[in-house]
Amino acid sequence: QKEVEQNSGPLSVPEGAIASLNCTYSDRGSQSFFWYRQYSGKSPELIMFIYSNGDKEDGRFTAQLNKASQYVSLLIRDSQPSDSATYLCAGRAPDKLIFGTGTRLQVFP
Amino acid sequence: ETGVTQTPRHLVMGMTNKKSLKCEQHLGHNAMYWYKQSAKKPLELMFVYNFKEQTENNSVPSRFSPECPNSSHLFLHLHTLQPEDSALYLCASSQEGAVLGTPLHFGNGTRLTVT
Repeated sequence: QKEVEQNSGPLSVPEGAIASLNCTYSDRGSQSFFWYRQYSGKSPELIMFIYSNGDKEDGRFTAQLNKASQYVSLLIRDSQPSDSATYLCAGRAPDKLIFGTGTRLQVFP
Repeated sequence: ETGVTQTPRHLVMGMTNKKSLKCEQHLGHNAMYWYKQSAKKPLELMFVYNFKEQTENNSVPSRFSPECPNSSHLFLHLHTLQPEDSALYLCASSQEGAVLGTPLHFGNGTRLTVT
């Protein structure tokens, strides 16, 4: 079983819609979670992090964490074509940071 | 200065060559990392240095040799690589020691092609 699992996609959404990206993790020792955006050929860029159960909002982005279900999600409101990228979920346990394979998001005009 | 700087951006080398990748961080962090990213695979952690000491070597072949002279600089020395080593090599840094995990900050990466 993969430690951090994401659907590889692509997830295609129309411009202006809400994109919902999901991630599950297996290590219950994971305490914090990070969402990175990676454009093709570029390095990952941190966009959100979340430590506590519930929602955390930052502009058009909302991260959601449910530790009981071992589930993390990222919602992107009012999706723009510039949001088209691969989104990497990462979970940090005390001694390691594990990345998922990423979900490719395509926002079409 | 950007937070984490990697050079070169692109590298093509033959299987018998020796080359080095360089990483420098300007964030005052105390931990640095090398990751390998191949197509359709998750980021693979290669090495971790915490306060200049290597704390993790993730079963990386000896043809990859890291060096961390201080907490701001990290090198990856390459020799007798194989074509399957072609990938994007990413350097990252973080501030370790917090109770809750801190994020990694990545450099722009070196695109390595082994011919």
